[in-house]
Amino acid sequence: NAGVTQTPKFRILKIGQSMTLQCTQDMNHNYMYWYRQDPGMGLKLIYYSVGAGITDKGEVPNGYNVSRSTTEDFPLRLELAAPSQTSVYFCASLGDSPWGGEQYFGPGTRLTVT
Amino acid sequence: GNSVTQMEGPVTLSEEAFLTINCTYTATGYPSLFWYVQYPGEGLQLLLKATKADDKGSNKGFEATYRKETTSFHLEKGSVQVSDSAVYFCALSSNAGGTSYGKLTFGQGTILTVHP
Repeated sequence: NAGVTQTPKFRILKIGQSMTLQCTQDMNHNYMYWYRQDPGMGLKLIYYSVGAGITDKGEVPNGYNVSRSTTEDFPLRLELAAPSQTSVYFCASLGDSPWGGEQYFGPGTRLTVT
Repeated sequence: GNSVTQMEGPVTLSEEAFLTINCTYTATGYPSLFWYVQYPGEGLQLLLKATKADDKGSNKGFEATYRKETTSFHLEKGSVQVSDSAVYFCALSSNAGGTSYGKLTFGQGTILTVHP
């Protein structure tokens, strides 16, 4: 049982490039989330999904897109990367009880945009 | 909107010292409260939680009590170990409007370093 996996672990992008951060969970969880963590700051929610085919914006969605075609996968797309998107990105999933339930986090992707 | 405020860090302690990390919150509805911990190079993992007023969450010697009257959820441990060195995040999930999608609002995190 791998839990939540993320690829890549590290990536350096040039300004204006695009990339997809991959996230997969093997726990059959309906809820999935993307957060970003900036230095000295807490995590901020980018997008979330309550099930396959259903996504919605979080607190900081600008510059990102997501899709959820399967229960397992929740990729995050960066179009036209900007230095402000330099951050550590965490994917998380949550089981059947969103009320007070535990979120399981992946190991993160450290992205640098130069 | 919802917000979480943690005490300014970092915190440096000697082994076996008492730990308190303060956390206060603002939320609509009836939030659930969490402490997550992030060890170096890893993702976050749940340390403890409480889902209603006066509940006490506990795990690995850590405790926190949900205080609605002071809107607080302070983390405590009686005797810290070197292995407790990590970043600690206070977070909440609110069910405002009757819906809860489990979305978390985090505090800024507190870096704890414990020396032998």
